[in-house]
This record gives sequence, structure tokens and C-alpha cells, in this order.
Amino acid sequence: DIQMTQSPSSLSASVGDRVTITCRASQSIISYLNWYQQKPGKAPKLLIYAAFSLQSGVPSRFSGSGSGTDFTLTISSLQPEDFATYYCQQSYSSPFTFGPGTKVDIK
Amino acid sequence: EVQLVESGGGVVQPGGSLRLSCAASEFNIDDYTMHWVRQAPGKGLEWVSVISVDGGDTHYADSLKGRFTISRDNSKNSLSLQMNSLRSEDTAFYYCVKQGELRTSWYFDLWGRGTLVSVSS
Repeated sequence: DIQMTQSPSSLSASVGDRVTITCRASQSIISYLNWYQQKPGKAPKLLIYAAFSLQSGVPSRFSGSGSGTDFTLTISSLQPEDFATYYCQQSYSSPFTFGPGTKVDIK
Repeated sequence: EVQLVESGGGVVQPGGSLRLSCAASEFNIDDYTMHWVRQAPGKGLEWVSVISVDGGDTHYADSLKGRFTISRDNSKNSLSLQMNSLRSEDTAFYYCVKQGELRTSWYFDLWGRGTLVSVSS
């Protein structure tokens, strides 16, 4: 099975900050990497698919990069509505594992 | 509104069974591969199972060890998850999820609100 890790597990940031979250796969997943945002009490929401493609309706301050085993989600200027938990997920092979999540809260 | 609505969650004793259902609205699930994903309270996301468009191909998380069965009824626009021999560690919100695809990539692009399964004596 492919293991997914994320760093950091949590971070505190201010509105307007640039935020970077890293996701690492235990083996190459090429670009089969998706990012989701989840707010308390809500279902996750797709942000980025295929490592860098922005889902329709998602603000352009979100971007993804990487390939192989190392991936990054960047929020260029953090907004109040971005405080949430972010998960990466590999769609390369079953079981389709998620990372443990990165919680972004207000500094 | 395009949506997925889960039902069937509740409290069940260890060793018991439960059947979850998911109803799709404003789109036809027979065009899509469908999944179940779960989340224990306060924990991360865990992929559970997937079923192909025609139901002929299914896969499960290793941790389930044959206790769960995913199925679909395209004529009723619905998805199900039969859960047997339930354990305390199966306690979670269970989400019905639609798979979106673009060329060779796929992703979870529509999630239900989830239904809570609580396994407790």
C-alpha cells in the first residue's frame, strides 16, 4: 500500500500570509495526487486534482505542484475562509490513501 | 441541486450489521464510479471502497477484511454499503462520494454530507 505523509500537521498563520503544505508518497504516484479542504462539520471539498489542476470554482490563490513522491499545496494569500484542514490523496493505486491532514488555524 | 444523500447510519452493537444507502439527485450515477470514504470523529479521512460503473469491479480497504460489501442499483440511482461484524473502530461518519475524471486523472468531486455509524455496547 502507498503511504501518504503531510507536513506540518498543523500551522498557525495570519490573513495575507503565504502558506505551503507538503505531501509525500511512499513511492512514485506520478501526478495522481489530489488536495481537499475540510471545514468543521462539513464534507471535504476538492481543491486541486492531478497535482496542479485547479477544480472549477476554487480561487486562484490555491495552487499545487510536484510529481513523483513530493507535492505541495500553496495558498498565496490566506483568507479568513481558508482556515480549515487540508488533505492530500493519491489516486494512483488501490487502496486510495489520504494523508493525515494539515490543520491551518489563525495565529 | 446535484447532491448525494446518505442514510442508514445509527448505533449498533459490536458484531452487528448495518446497511448504508446513498441517493443521488440531479445526475445519473450510472455514468460514474462511486466510492465510500469514512472519518472517525476528530480523525482523518479513510478510503473504504470503490465500485465500477456496472458494479462488476469492486475494491476495499485492507482493514475491512471482507466485512463490508459495496453495491449499486443504477435503476434506482443509488449506492449501498453492507457492513457486517462491526467493531468499535468502524465508528465514523461515512461519506458517499462520486468520482470525477479528466483524461487519466480521477478524484472525489462530489461528497454527501455523511451518515454517522456508532458501534457501541
